[in-house]
Amino acid sequence: DTGVSQDPRHKITKRGQNVTFRCDPISEHNRLYWYRQTLGQGPEFLTYFQNEAQLEKSRLLSDRFSAERPKGSFSTLEIQRTEQGDSAMYLCASSSIVSGNTIYFGEGSWLTVV
Amino acid sequence: RKEVEQDPGPFNVPEGATVAFNCTYSNSASQSFFWYRQDCRKEPKLLMSVYSSGNEDGRFTAQLNRASQYISLLIRDSKLSDSATYLCVVYFGNEKLTFGTGTRLTIIP
Repeated sequence: DTGVSQDPRHKITKRGQNVTFRCDPISEHNRLYWYRQTLGQGPEFLTYFQNEAQLEKSRLLSDRFSAERPKGSFSTLEIQRTEQGDSAMYLCASSSIVSGNTIYFGEGSWLTVV
Repeated sequence: RKEVEQDPGPFNVPEGATVAFNCTYSNSASQSFFWYRQDCRKEPKLLMSVYSSGNEDGRFTAQLNRASQYISLLIRDSKLSDSATYLCVVYFGNEKLTFGTGTRLTIIP
């Protein structure tokens, strides 16, 4: 399967713990996005990478959130000191110049903070 | 005002009927428009792009009205498998796509 893959698919954590999600984009895609989605809402933009450079961060991304894409391939999203309000689906997506502005999503990582 | 607004529904429509959704966007400089489909607890998937001249893909027709800043999606001869949430998506030219909240559609047998 050459689509966007995310790991883990589901994570239950206690409040205050740190969690990390990994995303492997489609191999030829140089753009990578993180979105967050809660029930009844559309995906909300968190951050965007072009190759290894993080070009934009949403105000939603508090200082507890950090994302990296060290070699311009896979990316990680870390949430420190999780809060119950962080419970959501974290979606990774990728695109390329060839795909234009069409982005392709992974299956998402569900986070539940208890 | 939200950048992209949709009627959240739900729309409950009998099988075989025609249903239409509208979506409005706030930025007149918006460049590209899409409809994505999202099944329950799954990731969004591209349904179709929306072109200025309008475009059709089988039972689905998308229209763009730049003057009034809205896009629409029409589904003809609806099937049970069309039940999903339909997300209106706008590209404002700042390297990210902005999603509406989605319109939930249920096709009733």
